[in-house]
Amino acid sequence: GAGVSQSPSNKVTEKGKDVELRCDPISGHTALYWYRQSLGQGLEFLIYFQGNSAPDKSGLPSDRFSAERTGGSVSTLTIQRTQQEDSAVYLCASSLGGFDEKLFFGSGTQLSVL
Amino acid sequence: AQTVTQSQPEMSVQEAETVTLSCTYDTSESDYYLFWYKQPPSRQMILVIRQEAYKQQNATENRFSVNFQKAAKSFSLKISDSQLGDAAMYFCAYRSARGNEKLTFGTGTRLTIIP
Repeated sequence: GAGVSQSPSNKVTEKGKDVELRCDPISGHTALYWYRQSLGQGLEFLIYFQGNSAPDKSGLPSDRFSAERTGGSVSTLTIQRTQQEDSAVYLCASSLGGFDEKLFFGSGTQLSVL
Repeated sequence: AQTVTQSQPEMSVQEAETVTLSCTYDTSESDYYLFWYKQPPSRQMILVIRQEAYKQQNATENRFSVNFQKAAKSFSLKISDSQLGDAAMYFCAYRSARGNEKLTFGTGTRLTIIP
């Protein structure tokens, strides 16, 4: 696609429910990142994929958070038993990989947990 | 672990004037990359400018330039001839050149342009 696409754009859920956030990276981009942006905060790294593997998942805040990537393309971030503190914007980015490659960001998913 | 600090939560500047946004970072590495990203209300992060630590020359992109002081671990962004479209959140970010490819971000500076 022309850019990184994330869906849904906005998600409202009730505490305790599970949610899935989707990221479609730019075609051909092997590296994919998930970040979380809480109100008034910077971007917090969650997980990094190279192809379908996740060499760095050190940022996942708890075992309620998981992510997968299939076919070296689409990625899904799943949050189980959502809590109010999970409310944030979840941003996805992709790149061609390599140290010198520019990251392209999507417009994020605004998650609100009531 | 690397940290990035932006000490100015908010800044404002008159249209057509110049403004400087501050950023400091902490690292034990000698080779890395530094970035400034802009985030408008659309939420999409847009790369403004990038600096390689091994380059002594400060990066410039049109009206945007940086003052990179490696010894002081300082990386400020100067916006010249400010325009209404420059209003956004600006984030400073660090990226290791050693294999850990994630970006570490500061908490951001909200820039307001006064007409």
